[in-house]
Formats: sequence, C-alpha cells, structure tokens
Amino acid sequence: EVQLVQSGAEVKKPGESLKISCKGSGYTFTRYWIAWVRQTPGKGLEWMGIIYPGDSDTRYSPSFQGQVTISADNSINTAYLHWSSLQASDTAMYYCARPIEVATISAFDIWGQGTAVTVSS
Amino acid sequence: SSELTQDPAVSVALGQTVRITCQGESLRYYYASWYQQKPGQAPVLVFYGKNNRPSGIPDRFSASSSGTTSSLTITGAQAEDEADYYCKSRDSGRNNHLVFGTGTQVTVL
Repeated sequence: EVQLVQSGAEVKKPGESLKISCKGSGYTFTRYWIAWVRQTPGKGLEWMGIIYPGDSDTRYSPSFQGQVTISADNSINTAYLHWSSLQASDTAMYYCARPIEVATISAFDIWGQGTAVTVSS
Repeated sequence: SSELTQDPAVSVALGQTVRITCQGESLRYYYASWYQQKPGQAPVLVFYGKNNRPSGIPDRFSASSSGTTSSLTITGAQAEDEADYYCKSRDSGRNNHLVFGTGTQVTVL
C-alpha cells in the first residue's frame, strides 16, 4: 500500500526550532515529488513548497521562501519540513502529499495524515 | 504569482446538481485538480487533468475548463458530498510552483 506517514503533533514555544517528517512507503521514493501544504485553523490550503527526492530539486512558495526549509533523506524515504525559529503564526496543520504520476506535480492523490503544530508561549 | 478564486460557499438540494468554479490566469495554461476535504480529514483528490477521476471516486464528479475558469460538477449530490472543495493548479509564472484556490464550502440541503 502506498502511503505517507507523518510525525506526531508538536507543541512549541516561539523562537524554538522544529522539524516534522513525512515517511513514504510502498513506492519508489526518489521518483515522486513531495509537497508540503499548510492549513491554518478554519482556513484554506496553502502550498508551501515541493521537493524531488531524486535530485533534491526544491521549490518554495514566495510566501514561505526563507521561512522554512524542505529536505529529504532518501536512505529512509523521508521528507522534512524545518523551522529554525517558530512564530505563533506557524500554528497550523501541515500535510505532505505525493502526486498521482511519476515526476509530475499536477495532482496529488496520496496525502499524509497531517501534523498539527501549536506555537504558544 | 497566480491566484485562484472560488466562491466561498454554495448549497445544493439532495440529488440535485451543483457546479463549483475556480478562476485564475494559470487555468488558461494548466488544468486544475480538485480536492474534497471533510472536517478533521486530509484532502482527497476527486478529479484532475482534462478528464481523470481517481479510482474510487464516484462518477457523479466531473470537471470542465474554459479559458481562465475551471469547474467541478457534482451531478446528483449526496449527503456525503458535503465538504470543502479546493482547486489547484500550476503557477503559470513559476516553474514547478503550485497554487490552491480559496476553497468552496458545499452544503447539501
């Protein structure tokens, strides 16, 4: 079964760092892009960025460029989303997602279960 | 960057047809993909490309595109179709960038 399993919920203080993960299984990890998507409470979906594990090609939404870092470790089929200094406004649900077709980004049919991040003093 | 605009909310009577629209310049060049999201759940892909419905998605879901507008149609809406729906497209101004629509809440009466 193809699936993405994300790390568990996090509660952090402003200024702290955080790295959440997304582990792929059931497919060749390096052949599919992985996207990260944010959903703030009661709001819509926002595309944050995307990584192609095969060559580490990474793109960021202008809204998130410089705010987060996306990476991947192919040895353990895992993608990451990292913050060096969290802010209260980072409180949200974060999803990773994989496209339905190899090496394309047109449509995402596999989604992680989401990781809830709460940033509060 | 591109923006995709959707109506915030629509309602449909049980068994009737509802169309959800998505407008944006990038849709002139790229097909939209459509996602259904129910409360507390991850999004689910319900339609993509010119005419593609993922396995397991009922055939009452269909989509079309014209100019800068893409539409998702639910023909014979069921109670379980009540959800938020989002379109998504590639950003026409940036290579391998994506953009989501603002989302439409669909209520089945």
